[in-house]
Amino acid sequence: QKEVEQDPGPLSVPEGAIVSLNCTYSNSAFQYFMWYRQYSRKGPELLMYTYSSGNKEDGRFTAQVDKSSKYISLFIRDSQPSDSATYLCAMSEDSGNTPLVFGKGTRLSVIA
Amino acid sequence: GAVVSQHPSRVICKSGTSVKIECRSLDFQATTMFWYRQFPKQSLMLMATSNEGSKATYEQGVEKDKFLINHASLTLSTLTVTSAHPEDSSFYICSAALSGPWSEQYFGPGTRLTVT
Repeated sequence: QKEVEQDPGPLSVPEGAIVSLNCTYSNSAFQYFMWYRQYSRKGPELLMYTYSSGNKEDGRFTAQVDKSSKYISLFIRDSQPSDSATYLCAMSEDSGNTPLVFGKGTRLSVIA
Repeated sequence: GAVVSQHPSRVICKSGTSVKIECRSLDFQATTMFWYRQFPKQSLMLMATSNEGSKATYEQGVEKDKFLINHASLTLSTLTVTSAHPEDSSFYICSAALSGPWSEQYFGPGTRLTVT
């Protein structure tokens, strides 16, 4: 079983839709949970990070972590064509200087 | 925000030659740098962790004699792919992190290596 599972998609939604992206994981030691956005042939950029369980909101983006279920989610409200990218979840046991374990990424297309 | 650059952005080389990829943190000092590899439609896979002034720690299955990592300063790490083969063709991405309780990893734009 892989440490982090993420449905690769592709996921195609109309502009304005609410998008739900999810990851599951098996390592209960993960404490830091991140979502990255990666455009084609570019490096990932951090969208949000969450420590332990709970919700975090930033503009149109909401990250949720449920450690009891080993399940994390990213919601995108009022999706825009510019949100079209690959979204990667990532996790680590410790902060900063520890390697991240990435999900495979979900390719999202928002159609105008 | 912090910026990490990589050079070159794209390189094509012949099988058997060596290629060096540079990763620089432009406006901060990075205690730790990470090297990842990403194959098409796959996730980022950690290759090695590099701390300034010490030997890199390689992940299982990554040949340290083939992928030479040098982290000579707090702003520069290099990855040299020695005796490259077509199966080494991939997207190589570095990230740099500050020290501290929480420190974001800042990713470079990646280097696409094609070995012919």
